[in-house]
Parts: sequence; C-alpha cells; structure tokens
Amino acid sequence: GAVVSQHPSWVICKSGTSVKIECRSLDFQATTMFWYRQFPKQSLMLMATSNEGSKATYEQGVEKDKFLINHASLTLSTLTVTSAHPEDSSFYICSARSASTRRSTEAFFGQGTRLTVV
Amino acid sequence: SQQGEEDPQALSIQEGENATMNCSYKTSINNLQWYRQNSGRGLVHLILIRSNEREKHSGRLRVTLDTSKKSSSLLITASRAADTASYFCATDDRGSTLGRLYFGRGTQLTVWP
Repeated sequence: GAVVSQHPSWVICKSGTSVKIECRSLDFQATTMFWYRQFPKQSLMLMATSNEGSKATYEQGVEKDKFLINHASLTLSTLTVTSAHPEDSSFYICSARSASTRRSTEAFFGQGTRLTVV
Repeated sequence: SQQGEEDPQALSIQEGENATMNCSYKTSINNLQWYRQNSGRGLVHLILIRSNEREKHSGRLRVTLDTSKKSSSLLITASRAADTASYFCATDDRGSTLGRLYFGRGTQLTVWP
C-alpha cells in the first residue's frame, strides 16, 4: 500500500514556541491531505483539509491562525502549531488521498506525532 | 465533528473467542472503513466496505453494513492477544471531499492470553 511519513514522531516544546509537523506521501502524489487531532482515549477529530496549491479548509472550531497548514507540493503538507500552549498537547495524525485515481476512496495515514507542550 | 458511535466502548475477551464491535452513523455515506490503532500509535487500515455492499471478509475479519439502519459491525474471529488495540469505524460521507473521514469513538478491545 501507499506510504505516508510523518515527522517528527514526537516533540516536546516550551509554551509560546511554534512546532512544525511534516506529512509526506512517499510513493504517490496527494492532491488532498487531512489533519486530525486525537486526545488520550478519544477519537480522531478532523481539523482541516489541505489541498495542494490552495488554502486549507478548517473544521468549525479550529483556529486557522493557531494551526497553520501549508500544502506546497503534491507530496508534502505541513502543520505548524503556533504559540503552543499545554492544552495543545495531543496526538496529531495526517492522512493523504492519492491523486492517481479521481475516485480513490482510501486515505493513507501517517504514524502520528505526539506533541507535548511544557 | 464525529459521525459514528461504536459499541461497546470496551470489550474484554479470552484468546480464541470472537469479538464483535458495532458502529452507527448519521448521514449518507460512500463507504465505511474500519481502522485499528495500537496505544499511542498511528492507524492501520483494516477493511473498506462500500455503500452498495452488505458484507465483506478479509482473513479473520468480517464486516457487515446495513445502510437502512446506518450501522456496521466488525467481527474478529478466533481472537489473539495481538489483536488487543482500539478499533475505529470511519465514514466517507456522500457529498464530502473524498478521503475526508469522520471517526467514531472507538472500541478498546483487550484479548487475554
């Protein structure tokens, strides 16, 4: 199956700093990538949909100035958590949909990034 | 926002037994997918069932879909300790961006050796 690589797998940062998480599709081109957030023992909540070359679409309640998403190429999307606070500590997961088939319905997930803000 | 609800939230069984998890959703879907997640790790795609399918098998997994009841079930037969994980259903909603998934709350499965 297709491979999506997410980096870093874990990061600890100080309050007030910014953290960038990368999501790469390694063996396919992804026109669309998705960013999810997961709190401990809870489900995955969709944060935003990222389309290559255009602005991301954010879900209701997600601050676009807080969670900056850039999808500059068909293989890379980044999520930057700006001015991080302890309540931003969470597990962030990206997924990517292949551009090779317009009707492709399977999304491939990265390994996730554990963010801890201290 | 979340779409699905899994039932039960937690399931504890012995090795060799079957495990059944249920998922209900609210809207019209293109397909429904089941994922597995080991603690603190990424998601592993298990199986996808399209809206025009009623049942699908993959190894020890059997998935059913009832679009009239907006529900799905995942059956793991002859469970193993290695099946211990959280299991999530996710819907790919009709009219939504393809690949955009809405996840249920998940079922935590524990299989005792």
